Amino acid sequence: AQKVTQAQTEISVVEKEDVTLDCVYETRDTTYYLFWYKQPPSGELVFLIRRNSFDEQNEISGRYSWNFQKSTSSFNFTITASQVVDSAVYFCALRPVTLTQGGSEKLVFGKGTKLTVNP
Amino acid sequence: ETGVTQSPTHLIKTRGQQVTLRCSSQSGHNTVSWYQQALGQGPQFIFQYYREEENGRGNFPPRFSGLQFPNYSSELNVNALELDDSALYLCASSLSFRRKQFFGPGTRLTVL
Repeated sequence: AQKVTQAQTEISVVEKEDVTLDCVYETRDTTYYLFWYKQPPSGELVFLIRRNSFDEQNEISGRYSWNFQKSTSSFNFTITASQVVDSAVYFCALRPVTLTQGGSEKLVFGKGTKLTVNP
Repeated sequence: ETGVTQSPTHLIKTRGQQVTLRCSSQSGHNTVSWYQQALGQGPQFIFQYYREEENGRGNFPPRFSGLQFPNYSSELNVNALELDDSALYLCASSLSFRRKQFFGPGTRLTVL
């Protein structure tokens, strides 16, 4: 079974602070993808980043960066120099990779972390 | 390119009624997945349709059913509504069952 845990329920920061969102996952699959999605008050899930299980190289994309550590099953997400527009609920998600057409590749989500960036 | 659209935006039903939610997938996408998101929770996978066939199902009772049409749009039907069915229902489409999912804005269902 797969499980994603986001221990931080809510985080509040002041604009321009850096903030890291934690994510720990459980899976028996050897091949999988990890995602971060943003959900603003409008409700639509916005894709942010994706990482596959074979690639532990950490990268920076603009103000976003992530730290994938397979040894600890963690996939943390950092926003640098936060802005008020970053206020949203952030979800970490796991998706197994199936080798057969019959298997659906469902996303397994954590419960989300609500980030509030104050001016 | 048109994104994923869902209708209606909001819906209020009473317990025991039936409801149909609709999703139009992004152009060229043949896979649609449905998720239920209760208040304060992460989305939960209901089922997925790939080329008009069900391609996987989450832990939801049979009163949750779906359809995918030849144009790859999809419907989610829920019979015998219960209070706990109140949630945001999200639809996501992808180029195939293995590709990145693009989400629609959701339908907010309230069951009284």
